[in-house]
Amino acid sequence: EAQVTQNPRYLITVTGKKLTVTCSQNMNHEYMSWYRQDPGLGLRQIYYSMNVEVTDKGDVPEGYKVSRKEKRNFPLILESPSPNQTSLYFCASSLSPAPYYEQYFGPGTRLTVT
Amino acid sequence: DQQVKQNSPSLSVQEGRISILNCDYTNSMFDYFLWYKKYPAEGPTFLISISSIKDKNEDGRFTVFLNKSAKHLSLHIVPSQPGDSAVYFCAASFERAGGTSYGKLTFGQGTILTVHP
Repeated sequence: EAQVTQNPRYLITVTGKKLTVTCSQNMNHEYMSWYRQDPGLGLRQIYYSMNVEVTDKGDVPEGYKVSRKEKRNFPLILESPSPNQTSLYFCASSLSPAPYYEQYFGPGTRLTVT
Repeated sequence: DQQVKQNSPSLSVQEGRISILNCDYTNSMFDYFLWYKKYPAEGPTFLISISSIKDKNEDGRFTVFLNKSAKHLSLHIVPSQPGDSAVYFCAASFERAGGTSYGKLTFGQGTILTVHP
């Protein structure tokens, strides 16, 4: 089954404790991105990757890091989480960045930073 | 600066009637528009899209209308069904390759649609 998986689905952590949210897709997609969803703001792009070892900032990259060492995986790293990073996070992938290629979203990771 | 806006946080409709969800955008460079549907505890799923060279696109019960001069798009669902109850996001993008925004979807805030039996 074609899918994007994220782990963990729920995470409660404390300020400053490094964490990684994993994202994996099994569709051999080149384009992957991370979004965060906040009330009243919709989804905003954090980082994206055009291919292996090619990553770039989206609209809200501060406090986040990413890496793309393999085509299928695109982990999101919070080196020192803060309460303002409490949010719902989605990973997405598509065959190409062209918008007529459907972006497939993972189920989301709800992160709470206390 | 919210470049894509959905000004109605919620919409309630009776089963069988038409649902109309609205979306406005400010960036005239956007040339591709999409609607995503999201159920609780799931990621958004693609519903329908439209290129700026068209003003209408239909897919079954779903039709998207684009008014470029007004920078406005709408999603019509006819007839509405209880299973359509979800959060609907409109998104805008760039169809032409190149630039750092290529591939990025800029989303609106979402509209919660409730279809009553």
